[in-house]
Amino acid sequence: GQQVMQIPQYQHVQEGEDFTTYCNSSTTLSNIQWYKQRPGGHPVFLIQLVKSGEVKKQKRLTFQFGEAKKNSSLHITATQTTDVGTYFCAGFGYKLSFGAGTTVTVRA
Amino acid sequence: DGGITQSPKYLFRKEGQNVTLSCEQNLNHDAMYWYRQDPGQGLRLIYYSQIVNDFQKGDIAEGYSVSREKKESFPLTVTSAQKNPTAFYLCASSTGTGGWSNQPQHFGDGTRLSIL
Repeated sequence: GQQVMQIPQYQHVQEGEDFTTYCNSSTTLSNIQWYKQRPGGHPVFLIQLVKSGEVKKQKRLTFQFGEAKKNSSLHITATQTTDVGTYFCAGFGYKLSFGAGTTVTVRA
Repeated sequence: DGGITQSPKYLFRKEGQNVTLSCEQNLNHDAMYWYRQDPGQGLRLIYYSQIVNDFQKGDIAEGYSVSREKKESFPLTVTSAQKNPTAFYLCASSTGTGGWSNQPQHFGDGTRLSIL
């Protein structure tokens, strides 16, 4: 069945540094969505990617959808304390499947 | 202000007891979902409903039941058959009908359920 895997599970980042989280699907996806969940909060939709090779930016966040539409990445530059939380990817094949998330902590 | 309201925020269940978690949305969305979140396991789908009076089991439906009598409401009952109910429960909704929706989901604030 459709599975979405996300790595790393945890990311400890020095404030000001960059990091990337990766999402891989066992099947080809029609779209991929990214969500952010702050500690103690609920997931909030960030962005949706639909086209092969698509790249979208939101300020310091860059989202990419792979050419084969089976993988995606989220790259954050110049990490800030406001970036703390868990980032989930969710891939849509025949249903929406969430990855396990990357939990980000920031050292000031 | 449109959104999803889950209640209660915290819930405690005694052994052998059924409890019901409330989820109400005023976004006029057709599709609604229930997820369970455990640490390090992401979101696992319990049940989903694409339209009123219709719902389907998700990946971990055993020990849970739902109803969808109104478009705005999708309550989840955690039955005594669910032996490990302690978790964070999230309700979500999205637009889209006629099949599984590929549209972004809007989440409520969640209910934390614990065993007494």
